[in-house]
Amino acid sequence: SQKIEQNSEALNIQEGKTATLTCNYTNYSPAYLQWYRQDPGRGPVFLLLIRENEKEKRKERLKVTFDTTLKQSLFHITASQPADSATYLCALRSGDDKIIFGKGTRLHILP
Amino acid sequence: GAVVSQHPSRVICKSGTSVKIECRSLDFQATTMFWYRQFPKQSLMLMATSNEGSKATYEQGVEKDKFLINHASLTLSTLTVTSAHPEDSSFYICSAWDLSYNEQFFGPGTRLTVL
Repeated sequence: SQKIEQNSEALNIQEGKTATLTCNYTNYSPAYLQWYRQDPGRGPVFLLLIRENEKEKRKERLKVTFDTTLKQSLFHITASQPADSATYLCALRSGDDKIIFGKGTRLHILP
Repeated sequence: GAVVSQHPSRVICKSGTSVKIECRSLDFQATTMFWYRQFPKQSLMLMATSNEGSKATYEQGVEKDKFLINHASLTLSTLTVTSAHPEDSSFYICSAWDLSYNEQFFGPGTRLTVL
């Protein structure tokens, strides 16, 4: 069956450092891989989408890489700030536009 | 980006009653909306795909007679949890597909507590 794993349930990073989150998947060939931010008691907010033929995508302090051979995506937040503290969800999007989510990584940026 | 609202944001009900949750796309039309359920510290699980003017498509294991979905207009989908039980307590989130962005936008979620 399809499986998405976000390796860390929680991650503590010192303010100003780069936070790196990992997403691995099996038994799946997604058309897109997406990252979302979710704050407690709120719905997910879309951050970045990367296509299967793209290696890297950037948006301000965010960077996503996508390795279809390793079946892995890395999500980086550079110059991290306490306001970046949230749960970050990796999601795979299929050709029929359904989205399958990982469990998420709770990121804590320590001041 | 596009805005999706949900109402109510939280609801508490007695076991055996039915609860209706509304999902609206505020500034765009959505022929397709999705309903998800999220238990604490778990991922969002897709329950069903709601298509305007036609029957919803349910994921495996989701009871269509218990979770009634109606997508009567291009801006509104409703999810009715019928004869709710405590195990139905969860966070229900909808999303709407915006063709202009080729992206799903998520609502803020509805916290359902069944006593």
